Amino acid sequence: GAGVSQSPRYKVAKRGQDVALRCDPISGHVSLFWYQQALGQGPEFLTYFQNEAQLDKSGLPSDRFFAERPEGSVSTLKIQRTQQEDSAVYLCASSRPPGEKLFFGSGTQLSVL
Amino acid sequence: EDKVVQSPLSLVVHEGDTVTLNCSYEVTNFRSLLWYKQEKKAPTFLFMLTSSGIEKKSGRLSSILDKKELSSILNITATQTGDSAIYLCAAKGYGGATNKLIFGTGTLLAVQP
Repeated sequence: GAGVSQSPRYKVAKRGQDVALRCDPISGHVSLFWYQQALGQGPEFLTYFQNEAQLDKSGLPSDRFFAERPEGSVSTLKIQRTQQEDSAVYLCASSRPPGEKLFFGSGTQLSVL
Repeated sequence: EDKVVQSPLSLVVHEGDTVTLNCSYEVTNFRSLLWYKQEKKAPTFLFMLTSSGIEKKSGRLSSILDKKELSSILNITATQTGDSAIYLCAAKGYGGATNKLIFGTGTLLAVQP
């Protein structure tokens, strides 16, 4: 595709509900990143994939967060048993190797009530 | 711990003014510094700087890196209302499995007519 596509654009979840956020990166981009951006803050790194391999998940805040990219293209970020502190914009970004410049999607705004 | 600090946190100017945004970084094995503009949600790429003292320019925007001072500035001349956005600075280091960017909190720029 022409750009990084994320869905849904907005998600409202009740506390305790599971959610799944999708990212469709730019075609041919090997590297894929997930970032979390709280209101008034800069993006915070969550996890990184190179093709289908998850090489770094050091930024995932708890074991309720899980990400996958099974075929090296589309990625899904899953949050189980959502909490209010999970409310944020979740940004996906992709890049070609070696991956200096990231191209970001428009994000998914998650609100947990 | 790697970190990026931006100042000011917010800025209000009038159309036609010139602004300077600041970014300082502490990153292990520094590799590059990037500036992004964030309107609504998706950060869009502005500049990538790797060499000290070389100015990069795009229209009314310019940026320069000072590796001795571990800092960078982003200048915007003859500001327009369309420049209103959050400007994000991010840095990357060599090594490790990740090409992750470490972001600052951003500078919120508001340009008034």
